[in-house]
Amino acid sequence: GEDVEQSLFLSVREGDSSVINCTYTDSSSTYLYWYKQEPGAGLQLLTYIFSNMDMKQDQRLTVLLNKKDKHLSLRIADTQTGDSAIYFCAEGAGSQGNLIFGKGTKLSVKP
Amino acid sequence: EADIYQTPRYLVIGTGKKITLECSQTMGHDKMYWYQQDPGMELHLIHYSYGVNSTEKGDLSSESTVSRIRTEHFPLTLESARPSHTSQYLCASGRDRGDEKLFFGSGTQLSVL
Repeated sequence: GEDVEQSLFLSVREGDSSVINCTYTDSSSTYLYWYKQEPGAGLQLLTYIFSNMDMKQDQRLTVLLNKKDKHLSLRIADTQTGDSAIYFCAEGAGSQGNLIFGKGTKLSVKP
Repeated sequence: EADIYQTPRYLVIGTGKKITLECSQTMGHDKMYWYQQDPGMELHLIHYSYGVNSTEKGDLSSESTVSRIRTEHFPLTLESARPSHTSQYLCASGRDRGDEKLFFGSGTQLSVL
């Protein structure tokens, strides 16, 4: 079945770049997604990429997709303390329009 | 901006009580979901619905039940709460089966003593 894998923790210094990695299994996914969860809140859709694209950039965020290796990454440039959160990778699951989420990567930003 | 609301935000109750967690959305979305999130962060899908009078069980077995009598409303009920039900419960909605994007509420943090 479908599966999404992420490393659980990442710690960076303020001002550095953060790279959060994800691998997925379903090559038929049309889109792949990144969600952000701040402490005590629900998930917020951060960005998504169409599966036919290699890269998508949105201000400080860069999404890279290697479809051959089924690898997705989220790069945050000039990471700020406000970026501290849990980041979830997700892929579409079949024809029903459901999402399969990874277990989340907790990003800690040190001043 | 997503308009999906969950109440209460926090709930502390005793064992054996019946509770209902409320979730409403004003976007006219067909799909609605309930996720349970453990302290280790992982999300577990416990119930979902593709429309009125449609409900399905998710990947994680749950003693809760749901109903979908109106498009905008998807309440979750626990008939007899236990300490093992202590968790964060997240509600989400999506436009229809052709659109995978989900929008989440702020969650209900449930503590059962």
